[in-house]
Amino acid sequence: QQQVKQSPQSLIVQKGGISIINCAYENTAFDYFPWYQQFPGKGPALLIAIRPDVSEKKEGRFTISFNKSAKQFSLHIMDSQPGDSATYFCAASMSGAQKLVFGQGTRLTINP
Amino acid sequence: NAGVTQTPKFQVLKTGQSMTLQCAQDMNHEYMSWYRQDPGMGLRLIHYSVGAGITDQGEVPNGYNVSRSTTEDFPLRLLSAAPSQTSVYFCASQLRAGSYNEQFFGPGTRLTVL
Repeated sequence: QQQVKQSPQSLIVQKGGISIINCAYENTAFDYFPWYQQFPGKGPALLIAIRPDVSEKKEGRFTISFNKSAKQFSLHIMDSQPGDSATYFCAASMSGAQKLVFGQGTRLTINP
Repeated sequence: NAGVTQTPKFQVLKTGQSMTLQCAQDMNHEYMSWYRQDPGMGLRLIHYSVGAGITDQGEVPNGYNVSRSTTEDFPLRLLSAAPSQTSVYFCASQLRAGSYNEQFFGPGTRLTVL
């Protein structure tokens, strides 16, 4: 069964808009929640990550919101740009950042 | 530093053939792992290693073997390829197992099994 569920599968946003991708997890032992960005033909690259002791983490235009009680976390991309067009994966792991369990991925397209 | 490198970039096999996907890192990372990426399923962990001489199974290990004779290299072997192993394979490494350091991914190997 899928331990980390990601939605939507695909998302189209206008330039300058806010992109929001959601993930839900089942295992309450998870204690590390990263988001990876992947461009076509490339490997995933870490974008931003959060631990459950905080409810929000912001790095530039990228923000993770974390809701421990609901077992959900989301990625918000503010002022979305065409260069943000990529596939985004949420993931989770426990007792360290290895053995990542990934969501299904979201293909984000930013229209100019 | 070259980071995490993978060879080959593309490979086509016939059912029953064997091959080895190569992975190397020059960052003196302790932890290395292999994932496969399939449409609609994200990435799934195949095997991982917490150091030279130590390997363990991930979520989808069947049909794959690994070994870790050096810190730098972590090859993935397909003993008898099957069409279900058609996928994109990514190797990743992390400075230290059990830490919250970033995992770095290689560029991937796209494998097609006919």
